[in-house]
Amino acid sequence: AQKITQTQPGMFVQEKEAVTLDCTYDTSDPSYGLFWYKQPSSGEMIFLIYQGSYDQQNATEGRYSLNFQKARKSANLVISASQLGDSAMYFCAMRFSGYSTLTFGKGTMLLVSP
Amino acid sequence: EAEVAQSPRYKITEKSQAVAFWCDPISGHATLYWYRQILGQGPELLVQFQDESVVDDSQLPKDRFSAERLKGVDSTLKIQPAELGDSAMYLCASSFGEDTQYFGPGTRLTVL
Repeated sequence: AQKITQTQPGMFVQEKEAVTLDCTYDTSDPSYGLFWYKQPSSGEMIFLIYQGSYDQQNATEGRYSLNFQKARKSANLVISASQLGDSAMYFCAMRFSGYSTLTFGKGTMLLVSP
Repeated sequence: EAEVAQSPRYKITEKSQAVAFWCDPISGHATLYWYRQILGQGPELLVQFQDESVVDDSQLPKDRFSAERLKGVDSTLKIQPAELGDSAMYLCASSFGEDTQYFGPGTRLTVL
C-alpha cells in the first residue's frame, strides 16, 4: 500500500532555532516525487520544496531543505532559523509513478515562540 | 504573480441546500484538481481534470457532488443536497502537466 506518515502531531521551536519535521512513506515504485506544503491558519496550501526519487542531491529552497533518505523511505523537512511566521501546519505529500495527484500525510502543527 | 483563484472564501449553508464553488486556475495550467480537507487531516482528491475532461473522479460522491470545466479553464464544484458531513475546506489546485501543484485559498464550507 502507498502511504504517507507524519508521526509528529505538533512541534514547538524557539525563534531562530532549526527544526526537523518527519515524513516517512511506503511505496514499491522506484519513481515518485515528494513535496512539502505549508498551510497557515488562512487555509491556503503553500508549496515549499520538491524532491524527486532519482535526484542525487537533497533539495534546498532558502531556509528549507529536505533530508531525503531513500533507503529508509524518509523525507524530513528541515527549517533553519525559524521565524514567527513559520507557525503553521506542514504537510508531506507524495506523487506516485503514473499519477499526477498527491497523497498527503496528516500534517504536523509547528509553533514558533519568541 | 500568477495565482489560483477561488470563491467564495467562506460559505455557510443549511443541510439539504445546494452550494457551488468556483475555481480559476493559473493561466496555462491544463490540469485542475479539487481536494476536500476535513479538519485535522490532509487534503484528499475529489476530481481531476485535464483540460475539459475528467481524468479521475473515483473519490467523488456522485450522488450529490458534481464538477465541470466546460471550456477547459475555470471550474465549478457543486453539492446538492449538502449534508452535515460535507463541512470541510474545499481546495482547488492547478499544475502544468505533472509539475508542482499550486493551490488556491480554499472555500471553507459549514453545513448547519
